[in-house]
Amino acid sequence: LAKTTQPISMDSYEGQEVNITCSHNNIATNDYITWYQQFPSQGPRFIIQGYKTKVTNEVASLFIPADRKSSTLSLPRVSLSDTAVYYCLVMTNTGNQFYFGTGTSLTVIP
Amino acid sequence: NAGVMQNPRHLVRRRGQEARLRCSPMKGHSHVYWYRQLPEEGLKFMVYLQKENIIDESGMPKERFSAEFPKEGPSILRIQQVVRGDSAAYFCASSLLRGGTGPNYGYTFGSGTRLTVV
Repeated sequence: LAKTTQPISMDSYEGQEVNITCSHNNIATNDYITWYQQFPSQGPRFIIQGYKTKVTNEVASLFIPADRKSSTLSLPRVSLSDTAVYYCLVMTNTGNQFYFGTGTSLTVIP
Repeated sequence: NAGVMQNPRHLVRRRGQEARLRCSPMKGHSHVYWYRQLPEEGLKFMVYLQKENIIDESGMPKERFSAEFPKEGPSILRIQQVVRGDSAAYFCASSLLRGGTGPNYGYTFGSGTRLTVV
């Protein structure tokens, strides 16, 4: 079960770009990197998933270096509504469970 | 297509009572996972089920906790003789395929059931 390490908390002003980095040193060949967002009193919500290099969708970008031992979630021009906890997970299509860790609590300041 | 439905949203039980938490997966999903989240902590895996089968229950306490996913109806997480330490948010997730990677990736989570033991 691949574990991940993220900063516990981050603050950012509205309109700025936020980059959250996650370490996953024991990632395996078949593992994907997935990020979830969780608001208080709600279940986690899928943001983005990638295997290597860069992935972009309408919400975020995910940067993965060649060695895949870390990844960076990039949120462009954050707003107050992006205040949430962000979890980095390593997922595999042969696994039964994932390690959520404590996540990164992002606070967006007006 | 409704998402993952969990009920009740809030459940209050006295110590020693039983708690039953229900989860209806997304339509077409046959893989169900239960996670528990204590205050200020991340989600911890409890059990993974497919229709009528428990695949992995390594995260579930051996006593008082049980889970099922019958052929018809929702998945049920049952906690017998609840104690204060069982107070937590319990989340259910479902997926189309096992593992959540590839073109049909993604685990969809429900909004959770918040259990309070008084």
